[in-house]
Amino acid sequence: QQPVQSPQAVILREGEDAVINCSSSKALYSVHWYRQKHGEAPVFLMILLKGGEQMRHEKISASFNEKKQQSSLYLTASQLSYSGTYFCGIPYQAGTALIFGKGTTLSVSS
Amino acid sequence: DSGVTQTPKHLITATGQRVTLRCSPRSGDLSVYWYQQSLDQGLQFLIQYYNGEERAKGNILERFSAQQFPDLHSELNLSSLELGDSALYFCASSSELAGPGGADTQYFGPGTRLTVL
Repeated sequence: QQPVQSPQAVILREGEDAVINCSSSKALYSVHWYRQKHGEAPVFLMILLKGGEQMRHEKISASFNEKKQQSSLYLTASQLSYSGTYFCGIPYQAGTALIFGKGTTLSVSS
Repeated sequence: DSGVTQTPKHLITATGQRVTLRCSPRSGDLSVYWYQQSLDQGLQFLIQYYNGEERAKGNILERFSAQQFPDLHSELNLSSLELGDSALYFCASSSELAGPGGADTQYFGPGTRLTVL
């Protein structure tokens, strides 16, 4: 089942913060976050594990909420380089591929 | 640069034709995944191979097939192409079959942009 991401799009000015959520209707054991720039390959950011710690990639952090079956990506003091589409992915079956959400497009302007 | 290579970068062909996309995984990676990305469908998992064996199938059409060779490179064959097959096709690779949480970190290649006219 495809995870649901919200919001679909975010527009920020440099220095502003944003939160992107990823929810699943089934039990989550891990959530994978990727960022994709237009026309480029998705780039791995981090994995959140059930029961694990909050993770961080530069000024981007993420958490895992077991009760809500949700992961949240926190973009703090956004930079122009943060622009792109953020995807969350959850394991399709244990040990195999990822099912990705539809993505959240983040636009950061100066 | 993720270390995953894909060829060709661009492919333009006509409806009804057949094409082959090629992927070389990162050195040492045994798993290869194929994804299709179109504007309205997002990133769709197609198929996964692990050390030469098919491991999982996603939304792969019967007109599409793939294989992984002994040197671990993989090919995705698309036949009887339709306009709707136009998309970016990504290959990804990972080192293990299953990391913590049920999936290992996947590294994506630059993709092949297929245009069917």
